[in-house]
Amino acid sequence: DIQMTQSPSTLSASVGDRVTITCRASQSIGTWLAWYQQKPGKAPKLLIFKASNLEGGVPSRFSGSGSGTEFTLTISSLQPDDFASYYCQQYKTYLTFGGGTKVEIK
Amino acid sequence: QVQLVESGGGLVKPGGSLRLSCAASGFIFSDYYMSWIRQAPGKGLEWISDISGRSSYINYADSVKGRFTISRDNAKNSLYLQINSLRAEDTAVYYCARAKYSSGWPLLYWGQGTLVTVSS
Repeated sequence: DIQMTQSPSTLSASVGDRVTITCRASQSIGTWLAWYQQKPGKAPKLLIFKASNLEGGVPSRFSGSGSGTEFTLTISSLQPDDFASYYCQQYKTYLTFGGGTKVEIK
Repeated sequence: QVQLVESGGGLVKPGGSLRLSCAASGFIFSDYYMSWIRQAPGKGLEWISDISGRSSYINYADSVKGRFTISRDNAKNSLYLQINSLRAEDTAVYYCARAKYSSGWPLLYWGQGTLVTVSS
């Protein structure tokens, strides 16, 4: 099975900060990686697919990069609406989620 | 617009069974893979199972294999999850989700979730 490891698990940041979240796969997944945002009590929302493709309607301050086993999600300038949890997910072989990163207010 | 509405959750005793349903609308249901994902209270997301549009391909996470059964009724635009031999660790919000593409992932549309609580 493919394991996904996210870091950090919690991140404290301020509005306007540049934020980077890392996701590592236990084996190469090419670019079969997605990023989701989840707010408390709500279903996850797809932000990025195929490692770097922005889903429609997602603000351009979100970007994704990487391939193989190392991936990053970057928020270029953190906005109040961005305080949430973020999950990576591989979809090369079945589906596996990372453990999540909670972005909280500093 | 695409809508997914889960139902069937509730309080059940350990060892009990439950059948979750997901009613889909706004798209050609039989064209898409569908998935179940769960989230234990305060924890992360866990993929449980998925099923292809014609039910030809079915997959399960190791953690639920043998106890959970996914199925679908394309005539009723509905997805199901039969959960047997429930354990305390099955307590979670269960989401159904639709793939972005008819050929597969990632998951673009999600329901609001239904809470399953396993407790005596």
